[in-house]
Amino acid sequence: DAGVTQSPTHLIKTRGQQVTLRCSPKSGHDTVSWYQQALGQGPQFIFQYYEEEERQRGNFPDRFSGHQFPNYSSELNVNALLLGDSALYLCASSLQTAPNEKLFFGSGTQLSVL
Amino acid sequence: DQQVKQNSPSLSVQEGRISILNCDYTNSMFDYFLWYKKYPAEGPTFLISISSIKDKNEDGRFTVFLNKSAKHLSLHIVPSQPGDSAVYFCAARGANAGKSTFGDGTTLTVKP
Repeated sequence: DAGVTQSPTHLIKTRGQQVTLRCSPKSGHDTVSWYQQALGQGPQFIFQYYEEEERQRGNFPDRFSGHQFPNYSSELNVNALLLGDSALYLCASSLQTAPNEKLFFGSGTQLSVL
Repeated sequence: DQQVKQNSPSLSVQEGRISILNCDYTNSMFDYFLWYKKYPAEGPTFLISISSIKDKNEDGRFTVFLNKSAKHLSLHIVPSQPGDSAVYFCAARGANAGKSTFGDGTTLTVKP
């Protein structure tokens, strides 16, 4: 049973560039959430996707956007990268009908913006 | 304004002793609480949870206590093992809320 997979593992970009991160949820899950974890901090909620729509959004600017595909996989796009966007980006999957269930996380994508 | 706080960045405990990790929250709308454990180069993994209608939940060596009036929860690990060395995150969620709000984590080191 495949867990949550994320790609790429590491990424180096320069300021002003754009980046796309990818996530495949755990088998059987239909909801994908994205989190940003800066060094020394806990994961911060970016947004959640269900039925190919953004259902909830955290306090992140419009430079952060996403997409969910019919197979439940998801992408996180960040435009006009800033140095402060350097962080570990975590994807988490869950089942919409079980909102109090635990999240299953991928290993994350480490983004460095130079 | 950080709604979930873990005030101890680190904790060191001897193998076999009890580890107690603490978490405070400010949002009274939170009604479900979870603890996650994170090893380096891995994503967080679920450890244990508790609903606001309970004050204690136990799973093997792990017990979570919730004090709603104090808006405080704690994770007890007994006995602690070297393999428990990791970063522990406290997370909270409101009713039917998609997002989980995390604390900044406590790094637990269990010494042999």
